[in-house]
Amino acid sequence: GQNIDQPTEMTATEGAIVQINCTYQTSGFNGLFWYQQHAGEAPTFLSYNVLDGLEEKGRFSSFLSRSKGYSYLLLKELQMKDSASYLCAAASGGSYIPTFGRGTSLIVHP
Amino acid sequence: EAQVTQNPRYLITVTGKKLTVTCSQNMNHEYMSWYRQDPGLGLRQIYYSMNVEVTDKGDVPEGYKVSRKEKRNFPLILESPSPNQTSLYFCASSFLGGDTDTQYFGPGTRLTVL
Repeated sequence: GQNIDQPTEMTATEGAIVQINCTYQTSGFNGLFWYQQHAGEAPTFLSYNVLDGLEEKGRFSSFLSRSKGYSYLLLKELQMKDSASYLCAAASGGSYIPTFGRGTSLIVHP
Repeated sequence: EAQVTQNPRYLITVTGKKLTVTCSQNMNHEYMSWYRQDPGLGLRQIYYSMNVEVTDKGDVPEGYKVSRKEKRNFPLILESPSPNQTSLYFCASSFLGGDTDTQYFGPGTRLTVL
């Protein structure tokens, strides 16, 4: 099985930077996904990392360290619309299908 | 437009009354999956299918059935719903293999079992 841990809730201020951490334990690691989910809506794909390092996509960046079983999602220039749940998910065992963590609820306030 | 559709979006039913939630995708994806999402528990996989006529149990299959007779459809069946199956359900699909295998999610079905 897999064990994925991420904080339950975080708060941040509009315009600031926030880092959401995720640790995982898995065998046959095949990549780490981040999804965004607004309340009552479907998750939407943000990023996929399989190699160590940082990948940047506009205001969002995702980092992976395979040796440490660690990833983070970095959100810059926070906007109110970034208030959502952020799901960390790991693929393993030769599959590219992710198993999800419980999600981090991010609240952005003015 | 590439999409995953689910029906119904909202359903209130009573204990023991069989129901089916449909899921359809138009992207020719091999892989389809059903999740339920409950507060504090995240997304938990119910069943998944790697291709037509191939289905497997996920983490929480009890009380559910699925079928995959066609590539595009993957209905979720609750033969005798119970109140503990009240939840938000998501269908998802993706291709298999390669680092572009992002899962596309349907809009969700909110089910209440009284």
